[in-house]
Amino acid sequence: NAGVTQTPKFRILKIGQSMTLQCTQDMNHNYMYWYRQDPGMGLKLIYYSVGAGITDKGEVPNGYNVSRSTTEDFPLRLELAAPSQTSVYFCASSTVGELFFGEGSRLTVL
Amino acid sequence: EDQVTQSPEALRLQEGESSSLNCSYTVSGLRGLFWYRQDPGKGPEFLFTLYSAGEEKEKERLKATLTKKESFLHITAPKPEDSATYLCAVHDGSSNTGKLIFGQGTTLQVKP
Repeated sequence: NAGVTQTPKFRILKIGQSMTLQCTQDMNHNYMYWYRQDPGMGLKLIYYSVGAGITDKGEVPNGYNVSRSTTEDFPLRLELAAPSQTSVYFCASSTVGELFFGEGSRLTVL
Repeated sequence: EDQVTQSPEALRLQEGESSSLNCSYTVSGLRGLFWYRQDPGKGPEFLFTLYSAGEEKEKERLKATLTKKESFLHITAPKPEDSATYLCAVHDGSSNTGKLIFGQGTTLQVKP
């Protein structure tokens, strides 16, 4: 099984551009999450979903949007990219208990 | 407010030199404390879950313990391949959504 797959792995954006980070899981998990990781800051929750059609804000949702049309997919949309969104983004999924993470997407906004 | 604090931020050990990493937490009803390992450029990899004070779990050179206020990750006779960032997290006690609240991590370097 592939587990949690994120694309792209790397991306450079200009200020004001928009893009979507893709996340797919093949473990039939109901819960999915998007975290961002900045140096020395740990992981901060951006958005999460408890099932298809249900999403909610996490700790740092400003500047992002999500949708969950299927159990497998949980894309993260960045609108009007800003330098503050330069970070590494991790998608994760779970049933109960531990989260399973993807390999991350490194985004730089210049 | 639920909070997780890890110490130290960075730790350098010689190969074979045992030590411990600390994770202090404040949560409204612990429903699980998690340890993850993260290698550079990779996603966090699950190590352990602890649910109640007094619980211990082991995996190779790692042993995790839990009290009512903190958890320790003990590393016995570490090897260079144990070098990584170790993350501690707790379940958000205010909801049933599986969300984890993470500490900032401890970066361990083991020199040969």
